[in-house]
Amino acid sequence: DAGVTQSPTHLIKTRGQQVTLRCSPKSGHDTVSWYQQALGQGPQFIFQYYEEEERQRGNFPDRFSGHQFPNYSSELNVNALLLGDSALYLCASSPGGVLGNQPQHFGDGTRLSIL
Amino acid sequence: GENVEQHPSTLSVQEGDSAVIKCTYSDSASNYFPWYKQELGKRPQLIIDIRSNVGEKKDQRIAVTLNKTAKHFSLHITETQPEDSAVYFCAAGGANNLFFGTGTRLTVIP
Repeated sequence: DAGVTQSPTHLIKTRGQQVTLRCSPKSGHDTVSWYQQALGQGPQFIFQYYEEEERQRGNFPDRFSGHQFPNYSSELNVNALLLGDSALYLCASSPGGVLGNQPQHFGDGTRLSIL
Repeated sequence: GENVEQHPSTLSVQEGDSAVIKCTYSDSASNYFPWYKQELGKRPQLIIDIRSNVGEKKDQRIAVTLNKTAKHFSLHITETQPEDSAVYFCAAGGANNLFFGTGTRLTVIP
């Protein structure tokens, strides 16, 4: 049973570019959340997707957007990249979307570096 | 929005001793409180969680307590072992979000 998988593992971009990160949830999970983890910090909540819609959003600008597909996989898009966007981007999936917060299982993350 | 504070930022204990990490939260609507362990270069792993209708939960050497009135919760690890060394994060969540503390680096000295 595969856990949460993310791709790519590492990515290098330059300022102003756009990036798309991908996440496949754990089997049986229908809810996907995205987090940004800067070095030495805790994960910061970006947003959560359920039934292909953004259900909740953290304090991130509109440059951060996402999508969820019918198979529950998800993408995180970041436009107009800034140096400060350099971080580990974590995807977490959980079951039972209608039940609210359920245990979230994380992927290994995508390390994004902005030059 | 929710604000989660976590203390201490670093903690060193001798093998076999207990470790306690404390967190406070600000939003009284939060009702779910998980704890994650993150080893260097690895994903956060859920080690225990508690909901607001429960005051204490235990799983072998790990226990979590919750005081809703004071808005604080704590992680207790007993009989610590070197493999417990990692960064531990607390989190607090409402219906569809989760907010993390800044982490505690625990070092267990053999």
